[in-house]
Amino acid sequence: ILNVEQSPQSLHVQEGDSTNFTCSFPSSNFYALHWYRWETAKSPEALFVMTLNGDEKKKGRISATLNTKEGYSYLYIKGSQPEDSATYLCASPISAGGTSYGKLTFGQGTILTVHP
Amino acid sequence: GAGVSQSPSNKVTEKGKDVELRCDPISGHTALYWYRQSLGQGLEFLIYFQGNSAPDKSGLPSDRFSAERTGGSVSTLTIQRTQQEDSAVYLCASSIDGQSGNTIYFGEGSWLTVV
Repeated sequence: ILNVEQSPQSLHVQEGDSTNFTCSFPSSNFYALHWYRWETAKSPEALFVMTLNGDEKKKGRISATLNTKEGYSYLYIKGSQPEDSATYLCASPISAGGTSYGKLTFGQGTILTVHP
Repeated sequence: GAGVSQSPSNKVTEKGKDVELRCDPISGHTALYWYRQSLGQGLEFLIYFQGNSAPDKSGLPSDRFSAERTGGSVSTLTIQRTQQEDSAVYLCASSIDGQSGNTIYFGEGSWLTVV
């Protein structure tokens, strides 16, 4: 693939459910994969930056994995809470020949709604 | 301040007028980026500054858009002769040194509406 793609586009879960979503990116000239959480009227919040194949990162109930050989990353939320409702974005630096600076190409995002 | 600060938060302007959007990055961050998100679109890159220089301006959509950075700190994005398609949220971001493996911190954005 030549772009950053996310699925699903939106997700509705009940409080307490665990959920996960996917980010796909070009596996060639890979430098980094960034995950953000963006709530309405707030700044996108950096969750993780991942650079190594097989990387796993965790922040509270949120974790992420990275597979650079096949070009995908998963974000997991354990025991979803209403305050987890937000748009989750992934991004990677993509350009011809690769880029080593933070010129990010973003996916369209996954809109998560957690119902009480 | 502790984070990336942008002003104004909201701006409504008439078509054809010029607008200036300001960004104060995190102190000590040499890399600064501008992105925007138009309605129904994803976040798109506009320009990258390293210090006061802009090695990558490839995302600026037309010559009506320009940006500068002074003192290695504050940046201003200027849109001349605004058009309705310029309506978007304009986000500024900064990172410690521009390496793609470092965290990039975003401001809350300037919401621009052109009427």
